Amino acid sequence: GESVGLHLPTLSVQEGDNSIINCAYSNSASDYFIWYKQESGKGPQFIIDIRSNMDKRQGQRVTVLLNKTVKHLSLQIAATQPGDSAVYFCAENAGRDSGAGSYQLTFGKGTKLSVIP
Amino acid sequence: GAGVSQSPRYKVTKRGQDVALRCDPISGHVSLYWYRQALGQGPEFLTYFNYEAQQDKSGLPNDRFSAERPEGSISTLTIQRTEQRDSAMYRCASSFLGNEQFFGPGTRLTVL
Repeated sequence: GESVGLHLPTLSVQEGDNSIINCAYSNSASDYFIWYKQESGKGPQFIIDIRSNMDKRQGQRVTVLLNKTVKHLSLQIAATQPGDSAVYFCAENAGRDSGAGSYQLTFGKGTKLSVIP
Repeated sequence: GAGVSQSPRYKVTKRGQDVALRCDPISGHVSLYWYRQALGQGPEFLTYFNYEAQQDKSGLPNDRFSAERPEGSISTLTIQRTEQRDSAMYRCASSFLGNEQFFGPGTRLTVL
């Protein structure tokens, strides 16, 4: 399959440690943010989302933090496992239509997470 | 339940030829999105549909690119007179109203 990890910032962590992946977004009007995980040869997979009226949201082993003041988003992965190795993208809602509430996403550059066993 | 499917998975074509890429969304999903992803980059929005209506095509690079979803289900992205710069992974995603987008495996297009 294709590699999505070329020329990306890389974060290497030891198995069992916590990982923190950061993202700066550009549009101060964005009101919805998503983290996606993309493994080699596969499409992006939803991890967790957060709306702009929140500053923290927790899922299973993952936490997303939103700082609207500095337009910064972070993804924290607890007890990182080898299966977490992938490229992680943040995405922001670039607009909402007035109908079904659908939206187009603007993706960030991505960070490659490598877990050392 | 099947996820989003795309066909073909790989397409190699000669410059100047037209190509049609197909996306079959998750059954019942209202919204369908097309993205293009270059190696080492995140997906880049092209266009999206709610049911059969094309809501936004602002991301289509030029008028050689078009998309349709005539019955509100399967969608086709067509690229006319392909150029080498069109080579990329083309990804489709679908969602139910404003909820999370589920991505398909993509079509890898190579223009020689």
